[in-house]
This record gives sequence, structure tokens and C-alpha cells, in this order.
Amino acid sequence: KAGVTQTPRYLIKTRGQQVTLSCSPISGHRSVSWYQQTPGQGLQFLFEYFSETQRNKGNFPGRFSGRQFSNSRSEMNVSTLELGDSALYLCASRPSGGLHNEQFFGPGTRLTVL
Amino acid sequence: QKEVEQDPGPLSVPEGAIVSLNCTYSNSAFQYFMWYRQYSRKGPELLMYTYSSGNKEDGRFTAQVDKSSKYISLFIRDSQPSDSATYLCAMSAIRSSNYKLTFGKGTLLTVNP
Repeated sequence: KAGVTQTPRYLIKTRGQQVTLSCSPISGHRSVSWYQQTPGQGLQFLFEYFSETQRNKGNFPGRFSGRQFSNSRSEMNVSTLELGDSALYLCASRPSGGLHNEQFFGPGTRLTVL
Repeated sequence: QKEVEQDPGPLSVPEGAIVSLNCTYSNSAFQYFMWYRQYSRKGPELLMYTYSSGNKEDGRFTAQVDKSSKYISLFIRDSQPSDSATYLCAMSAIRSSNYKLTFGKGTLLTVNP
């Protein structure tokens, strides 16, 4: 099976712009979570989607949003970018059944805000 | 106080050494404990998975959980240069429909040939 894929892998934006990142989960996985990874804060949970519904949300401002499509692919959007949004954004998918909360991560999208 | 604390290192050891990596946590609701390995420019990959207290061994890797002390460890025996990576501990509570993982900041390990 192909792993979790994320596009684009690298992105450079300027302050005030908005950005959309895409994630395709492993085939058959219906749960997709997003995490932000920075040197200062480590990996922090953004939100989780299951069957096109947001089930959980982390402690991030409303500028961070996401959605999930019927084929389980997910997008996250960051509006009005700030310098502090520069980070590696990771997507993870989780199978139904199996080990509780076993998540498989993609390679991430490296976002740089100038 | 952060929910999960992990010494960021860096940790540098010679090939063949035994490596010990540790995390402490404060949330007593955590029941699932994981170790992820992250190579440079890659996403984290699940290395070890443990439920509640106890030990789990997989090849050269041993994970230990001591819930009474809120302390988890990962031991790597006969370390290899290919083990050089960042090791992240992660934890999860049992809550219906809540699959959030809480991570430590990661420990950067270098194994020198």
C-alpha cells in the first residue's frame, strides 16, 4: 500500500497570504489528523477529521482550518499567514480497528513564511 | 508545565552502545504510549507501541512504561549508525472519538561508527 502523501513538499509564502496544504491518507483509512512541528514547540495537534467531520481540534487560532472530502483526502488552510506559522505540517492517517490510535505520518509540507 | 517532557539532547554515542531515551508526563489519563523515529526531512514512523504499564521488546528495542512514576523509556541495544534520528515519545488517552497524540519535543540521537 502506498503511504500517506502530502503536497506540496515545500512552500514559501509571505506574511498576510493564505495557503492550502493537501493530504492523501493510506487507502482505506478514514481518519486524518494534522500536526504542526516547530523546533520550539515540537509536534502539536491541529485537528482530526473522520468521515468528512471535524472530531477534535487543538489549541490553534481560527486562521487554521481544514476539511475532508468523501474520498478521505484532506486539506488544511492557513489564512493571513504570520512569520510564526513557518513549520513542518504533518498529516497522519489512522486505520479503523487495529491498535488504538496507531497513526501513520506523511513526509510533511515545509512551509516558510517570509 | 507541559504535559510531556523529553530531554532534547543531543545525544551522541559510539556504535554498539546501549541508548536510553526517556519521557515524563503529567496527565494520568494517558494509557497508550508510543515511540516514533523521525529521520531528517521525513515524517515520524511508529517504532514501539505500549498499552498501560510494562515492558515490550522488539528486536534491539525495548519500551518500558511506569505509570506510577509517569515515566516511559526506550532502550536501544547494539546501536547502529542507521539509528541516528530524532526519537519522539507520544501519548494518548482513552476517550471516545478522541485520537489526539501528545508528543514530547524529541531527542536527537547520533550513533558514531
